[in-house]
Amino acid sequence: EDQVTQSPEALRLQEGESSSLNCSYTVSGLRGLFWYRQDPGKGPEFLFTLYSAGEEKEKERLKATLTKKESFLHITAPKPEDSATYLCAVLLNRDDKIIFGKGTRLHILP
Amino acid sequence: EAGVTQSPTHLIKTRGQQATLRCSPISGHTSVYWYQQALGLGLQFLLWYDEGEERNRGNFPPRFSGRQFPNYSSELNVNALELEDSALYLCASSLSAWYGQAFFGQGTRLTVV
Repeated sequence: EDQVTQSPEALRLQEGESSSLNCSYTVSGLRGLFWYRQDPGKGPEFLFTLYSAGEEKEKERLKATLTKKESFLHITAPKPEDSATYLCAVLLNRDDKIIFGKGTRLHILP
Repeated sequence: EAGVTQSPTHLIKTRGQQATLRCSPISGHTSVYWYQQALGLGLQFLLWYDEGEERNRGNFPPRFSGRQFPNYSSELNVNALELEDSALYLCASSLSAWYGQAFFGQGTRLTVV
């Protein structure tokens, strides 16, 4: 069964304390992996798309990486405004279906 | 440029009734996706429309249906509402049938009582 698992479920960091969020996947064929940020009461906001193992994308304090089994979202020197739920999703090769993980709730303390 | 807009923002229905949710994609986007975000379950893929055709659907019963209009806006219909249908329904759009970079609306909060 195709699965996407994000860990940890929740993470509290001090401002400036770097860390990584994990998205591991077990799917029959990966076409692409996506990272989104979701603020309470809002729709997800697109961050990155990764297509192949070894690929990396960066945006401000965020960097996403991809291996054959997982993706990491690295947050460097986070600020309180980075507090949100971060969602990972995979697009399957065989039927173009998209599976989302349950997300990691990130809270950055000032 | 206007983003993806959804209406209504909130909807309260009684069990057994029908609900209709609407989505206007970003101008120029031809693909529209619908998702259900229930508490504790994460986003579940519902439907994908492109160029007026249903391209794919998730593991939801047939009482979840929809359509895409010639102007690429879309409608999601949920018949015979059940209490478990209470959730945030999100619509997203993208430039083409390739998911690539999809933009989400703010969602419609459906409450079934």
